[in-house]
Amino acid sequence: RKEVEQDPGPFNVPEGATVAFNCTYSNSASQSFFWYRQDCRKEPKLLMSVYSSGNEDGRFTAQLNRASQYISLLIRDSKLSDSATYLCVVILGSGNTGKLIFGQGTTLQVKP
Amino acid sequence: EAQVTQNPRYLITVTGKKLTVTCSQNMNHEYMSWYRQDPGLGLRQIYYSMNVEVTDKGDVPEGYKVSRKEKRNFPLILESPSPNQTSLYFCASSFTGTLYTQYFGPGTRLTVL
Repeated sequence: RKEVEQDPGPFNVPEGATVAFNCTYSNSASQSFFWYRQDCRKEPKLLMSVYSSGNEDGRFTAQLNRASQYISLLIRDSKLSDSATYLCVVILGSGNTGKLIFGQGTTLQVKP
Repeated sequence: EAQVTQNPRYLITVTGKKLTVTCSQNMNHEYMSWYRQDPGLGLRQIYYSMNVEVTDKGDVPEGYKVSRKEKRNFPLILESPSPNQTSLYFCASSFTGTLYTQYFGPGTRLTVL
């Protein structure tokens, strides 16, 4: 079983739709969780952190469910510019161990 | 401008011919890391370095070497490249206190024939 798993999609949605992605992780010692965005084989960039209490940034909401070991990303009112691949990232262990595990990414295509 | 640079950006080579991909950052970051990205497998960490002269294996270190003699540079060395090392490679850096904010280089697309 992969340490971090995502549904690769693609998710094809119309503009204005709400879409949600999940990411599951297998290591219960995982401490820190994040979402990155990657445009068309360019370099990934940090989108947002995921806190136990949830995290909202404009149209984006990230949540963590430790009991079920998954994190989620919700995008409301999708824009064409949201089309990208979304990568979930887990940092293993407590403290700064240096080991980041990336999911394989979920591709989102927003259509006019 | 704060950035991570990688060279070369594109490289086609042949099996067994040693090569080095350079990575340099100008943000005084302690942490640097190399990843490879393959379709369906996502980003996989090859090696990382928490500081000068400190390196550790990631998930897929076989066939690669790294060194961290200076803070700003973290070259990736393929002593004897093989076709299964054909991939898109990213270098990244950050402060050790903020590992989640990785700054990635533009990527190096390597083809080994």
